[in-house]
Amino acid sequence: GESVGLHLPTLSVQEGDNSIINCAYSNSASDYFIWYKQESGKGPQFIIDIRSNMDKRQGQRVTVLLNKTVKHLSLQIAATQPGDSAVYFCAENKRGGNTPLVFGKGTRLSVIA
Amino acid sequence: DAGVIQSPRHEVTEMGQEVTLRCKPISGHDYLFWYRQTMMRGLELLIYFNNNVPIDDSGMPEDRFSAKMPNASFSTLKIQPSEPRDSAVYFCASTNTGFGYTFGSGTRLTVV
Repeated sequence: GESVGLHLPTLSVQEGDNSIINCAYSNSASDYFIWYKQESGKGPQFIIDIRSNMDKRQGQRVTVLLNKTVKHLSLQIAATQPGDSAVYFCAENKRGGNTPLVFGKGTRLSVIA
Repeated sequence: DAGVIQSPRHEVTEMGQEVTLRCKPISGHDYLFWYRQTMMRGLELLIYFNNNVPIDDSGMPEDRFSAKMPNASFSTLKIQPSEPRDSAVYFCASTNTGFGYTFGSGTRLTVV
């Protein structure tokens, strides 16, 4: 029979534009959130994290926004570059506890040169 | 630091054979995780250790899967006997308590 794969949401962005990748998390008790980037053939790579006592955190070209009211997390990438093409995962857990990170399904970002 | 080191990078084996995947975590990290990634199911947690002790193995799919961590610098994930549906990329990750994980480059397993 025909196999059904995991169809990742895909975001296509022109080089130089800003990208926004969204994630809805499930556990209202989660207080620590991370974004990972996974390039083809590689393991997930840490990008940026945020604790629940913050609603925004900035890194180099990346910003993470947290809306605890609606349990929503977003990753903004400024001036998107071809090297940003990858699958992006959000992850959540209760920091300092024994619960491991729970990963979302991921979003594929394709940068059009 | 060389990061989390996994071996082999690729493994092709015949159905029924035993497969052993290896992981060296980052020195000083007290948590080690084994994940499996497939197109169908995404990234799944199989088992994790804290200070070399298995904490939660509820993600291990069957008794054919086993994992050990004999010391702080080494862990193995064994599949015996292997089946074609075990084909996936297996990742090892480590962390200090409360911080983000560092992943290895993964082992791509193909069971034919």
